[in-house]
Amino acid sequence: DSGVTQTPKHLITATGQRVTLRCSPRSGDLSVYWYQQSLDQGLQFLIQYYNGEERAKGNILERFSAQQFPDLHSELNLSSLELGDSALYFCASSVAGGSHEQYFGPGTRLTVT
Amino acid sequence: EDKVVQSPLSLVVHEGDTVTLNCSYEVTNFRSLLWYKQEKKAPTFLFMLTSSGIEKKSGRLSSILDKKELFSILNITATQTGDSAVYLCESQNYGQNFVFGPGTRLSVLP
Repeated sequence: DSGVTQTPKHLITATGQRVTLRCSPRSGDLSVYWYQQSLDQGLQFLIQYYNGEERAKGNILERFSAQQFPDLHSELNLSSLELGDSALYFCASSVAGGSHEQYFGPGTRLTVT
Repeated sequence: EDKVVQSPLSLVVHEGDTVTLNCSYEVTNFRSLLWYKQEKKAPTFLFMLTSSGIEKKSGRLSSILDKKELFSILNITATQTGDSAVYLCESQNYGQNFVFGPGTRLSVLP
């Protein structure tokens, strides 16, 4: 158990809908990262927050957004969902914002039908 | 565009064998390279390498980075069935870009 929690574990929704994925980092970690893992693309970095501020952006679509709250938990919002958004979404946390090992949560499996 | 390549993509060995997994990278402003093990779900951290030529070791696993030739290797000696997993390497650069390789799927047969 990495200490990073994610909810929900599974989510099934229809195309065009909007969902919110939630992540709580390990105690003491200030940085949160979101990744998408699909069979054909592997693990893709989406976005990083550090102490409430956006720190880095990767391959995140405009339909996706995220935020980190004062209590350091983070939410990833996915809107206008398409079939291709079906994937495993991981949240990870690290102690700081630089180059550090990341501890991954168990992931949220999103299925868009 | 930053890129991380791993080889082989798949490997089947028997218990007791030694394996070497390869990771090469083309990354601007490279900072560090990390190895993770992914079994059923979430990747778990193994090593972080920032300096060339310094081996990191944990039990039967070891890893080293060559910043001149832009690659890293992960060695596993005396493999066990519990080592079966996908091994991922990740590059991190000073621009806060995090790029994962496709992974090497290792299967250790009894």
